[in-house]
Amino acid sequence: TQLLEQSPQFLSIQEGENLTVYCNSSSVFSSLQWYRQEPGEGPVLLVTVVTGGEVKKLKRLTFQFGDARKDSSLHITAAQPGDTGLYLCAGAPNTGTASKLTFGTGTRLQVTL
Amino acid sequence: KAGVTQTPRYLIKTRGQQVTLSCSPISGHRSVSWYQQTPGQGLQFLFEYFSETQRNKGNFPGRFSGRQFSNSRSEMNVSTLELGDSALYLCASSLEGTTSYSLHNEQFFGPGTRLTVL
Repeated sequence: TQLLEQSPQFLSIQEGENLTVYCNSSSVFSSLQWYRQEPGEGPVLLVTVVTGGEVKKLKRLTFQFGDARKDSSLHITAAQPGDTGLYLCAGAPNTGTASKLTFGTGTRLQVTL
Repeated sequence: KAGVTQTPRYLIKTRGQQVTLSCSPISGHRSVSWYQQTPGQGLQFLFEYFSETQRNKGNFPGRFSGRQFSNSRSEMNVSTLELGDSALYLCASSLEGTTSYSLHNEQFFGPGTRLTVL
């Protein structure tokens, strides 16, 4: 069974601070996705990283896929209250149809004024 | 284009009852997956349907079942409810079968159905 461990579990920071969330596994994934879930809603896809070492930027969010495709990180610069939510990583074991995603344990982020 | 819709949004049941949850995927999406989300276990995969056939199944007991209709709408059923079945049940569709499919099975989630078992 493939597992994805996220750290930290909880993070409470003030507006303007930087933070990094980690997603680690002993398994190799063909791709890794990051989602954000706000209270009362389902997760929303932020990004998919595919190539080992790949870095993708989405405004103040920077996503990196590890060289060995076993881990990933999400860095937020100058966090804002709108970044508050549950961040989930999800790994796809292989490409193609019917690929069953494994979701990480989640990181709950709270950004206060 | 409308997103994934789930009904009902909230449900309260008692132990031993059964429940049916409904999901309508994004128009044109043919793959529908169901997940259970709890504070303790996180997001866990229940099953996936594509073209009315169950293709993948997670590690849940047989009390959890589902089906998909010809219009891609899906239902999941939980029989003989237990207290531990209290959770947020999420439905998601994917681009598989469309010209936009990226092979990475990105999921488009609905808002979920919050089930409370008393």
